[in-house]
Amino acid sequence: SQQGEEDPQALSIQEGENATMNCSYKTSINNLQWYRQNSGRGLVHLILIRSNEREKHSGRLRVTLDTSKKSSSLLITASRAADTASYFCATEGPNNAGNMLTFGGGTRLMVKP
Amino acid sequence: ETGVTQSPTHLIKTRGQQVTLRCSSQSGHNTVSWYQQALGQGPQFIFQYYREEENGRGNFPPRFSGLQFPNYSSELNVNALELDDSALYLCASSSHNEQFFGPGTRLTVL
Repeated sequence: SQQGEEDPQALSIQEGENATMNCSYKTSINNLQWYRQNSGRGLVHLILIRSNEREKHSGRLRVTLDTSKKSSSLLITASRAADTASYFCATEGPNNAGNMLTFGGGTRLMVKP
Repeated sequence: ETGVTQSPTHLIKTRGQQVTLRCSSQSGHNTVSWYQQALGQGPQFIFQYYREEENGRGNFPPRFSGLQFPNYSSELNVNALELDDSALYLCASSSHNEQFFGPGTRLTVL
């Protein structure tokens, strides 16, 4: 079963626009991570936000976390065609074995040039 | 490039057969996790190995089994393949909280 739900499932924007993806989860977490996947290949780690953090930035990426609402958002600013990919949130929780990740269903982002 | 490699890249099997997938972890990483990703869905955790011992398992039947070797490389074995086993299988080696994923093996079961 999936821990998180991502919203929207698909997003299409023009180059230069901002893209916002949301993730909701069900149980308590140690941290929440965002990953990117191109064309059904390997996942690339983008950013990790711990449960005691509310916002984190990395380049054009901004992640927020609201543990009271069990939700997170990923904002990509000034999008580029190369940002076209699927984006997944994944949670690591206190009850997870090892550092097992529980993924959401993903948002498919298309950035049109 | 994450330094995690998987083989083979693609594989086609028929129902009832057995398959072995391989993963070489990033240098220095002693933990390997395996995930199954069905088409259009997020990855689902199969199991994790730490220093050659299983260190957690997801909701997968016993016909999914694994091994980790002294050099921390790993294998995923699936017996009695079913059509629903068709998926992308990803391995990830980890250091602290960050997991480094390989490119995956695409398994098709006919």
